[in-house]
This record gives sequence, structure tokens and C-alpha cells, in this order.
Amino acid sequence: EAQVTQNPRYLITVTGKKLTVTCSQNMNHEYMSWYRQDPGLGLRQIYYSMNVEVTDKGDVPEGYKVSRKEKRNFPLILESPSPNQTSLYFCASSPRAPNTEAFFGQGTRLTVV
Amino acid sequence: DAKTTQPPSMDCAEGRAANLPCNHSTISGNEYVYWYRQIHSQGPQYIIHGLKNNETNEMASLIITEDRKSSTLILPHATLRDTAVYYCIVRPRGTGNQFYFGTGTSLTVIP
Repeated sequence: EAQVTQNPRYLITVTGKKLTVTCSQNMNHEYMSWYRQDPGLGLRQIYYSMNVEVTDKGDVPEGYKVSRKEKRNFPLILESPSPNQTSLYFCASSPRAPNTEAFFGQGTRLTVV
Repeated sequence: DAKTTQPPSMDCAEGRAANLPCNHSTISGNEYVYWYRQIHSQGPQYIIHGLKNNETNEMASLIITEDRKSSTLILPHATLRDTAVYYCIVRPRGTGNQFYFGTGTSLTVIP
């Protein structure tokens, strides 16, 4: 089954403790990205990657890092989480071909206390 | 920049057609109209997209006006499981998966 898998689905952590949210897709897609969703603000893009070893900032990249060492994986790293990073996070992937849809993971709900 | 305008909420009776409008008056020639929906806090689910012709698939129909400044998503026979937030997105051709989500329309299907 074609899917985007995020782990963990739920995470509660403390301020300053480094964490990684993993994202994996099994569709051989070139493009992957991370979004965060906050009440009243919709989904906002954090980082995106157009291929292996190619990453770029989205609209809200501060406080986040990403890496794309393999085509299927695109982890989101919070080096020093802060309470304002409490949010619902989504990973997405899509093929490079234009006029295509993006597939989203089921989300990771992160709480930083 | 808000590229689309949608009503914040709508109701629809179960079994009836749900017609969700979207205004995108500043759309340019190479931009597609995409529709996604999000049920509770699950990942957004693709519904349909189009450029200038009307489109239909197993989930819905997309009607785009001739001037492309607005569109309507039609769910022909709404069910309770269609209760969700529906997002209309204008997306330039070939921009990978950069989707600019607004706040969408919260559709409630009423029994």
C-alpha cells in the first residue's frame, strides 16, 4: 500500500531535549516536505526536499533541521525544542512530475513542556 | 498571501449534494486548483484537481468557471463520513509539494 509513515504519532518532551520525528515513504517520490498545523493558522511548510541531499527552507524553518540522505526518508530534527513548537506535524511526499498530488502522513502531535 | 477565499463553515443534509465554493481571483495561467480535505486531525487527503476543464473522479466533481476566478467542489451524495475541513489550494505547475493551505471550509453533514 502506498503510504507516508510518520513516527511517533504522539510525543511529549521537555524544553531543550533533542528529538527526531521520522518520515518514510514507499512510493519512490522525489519531493518530500514537512508542515506544522496550528489552530487558526492552517498548515505551514517548514522544510522541503526536491531530491536526495537537496533541502530548502519553507515558510517557518526556525528551530528545525532536516536531512535527506536517502530518497525514502526525511527526518525532522528539533535540536532544542521549545514550547512554541508544540504543534501537529505532517510529512508529505509527491513525485517530481508536474500536475500531481501530494500524499500526507497521519501526523505527529508534539507537546513541549 | 491568501490566494483562495472559502466560507469558514457549511452544513449539508446527508444524501444531498454538497457544493463548496472557492474564490481564486488572482489565479494565473499556470496555476492548478487542488482540493484536499482533513478529517479531524488526520493527514490531509487528496480529492481532485484541475486547470481549466471540469473534472470528475470517484470522490467528487470540480467545476471551474470559464475565467478561472472561482471553482466549486461538489460531493454528489454527502455522507456523515464527509464531515471534514475542505481546503481549496492554488498551486503553480511543477512546484513539487509546496501546497499553501488556508483555513478551509468546515463542512458538517447533518443526518
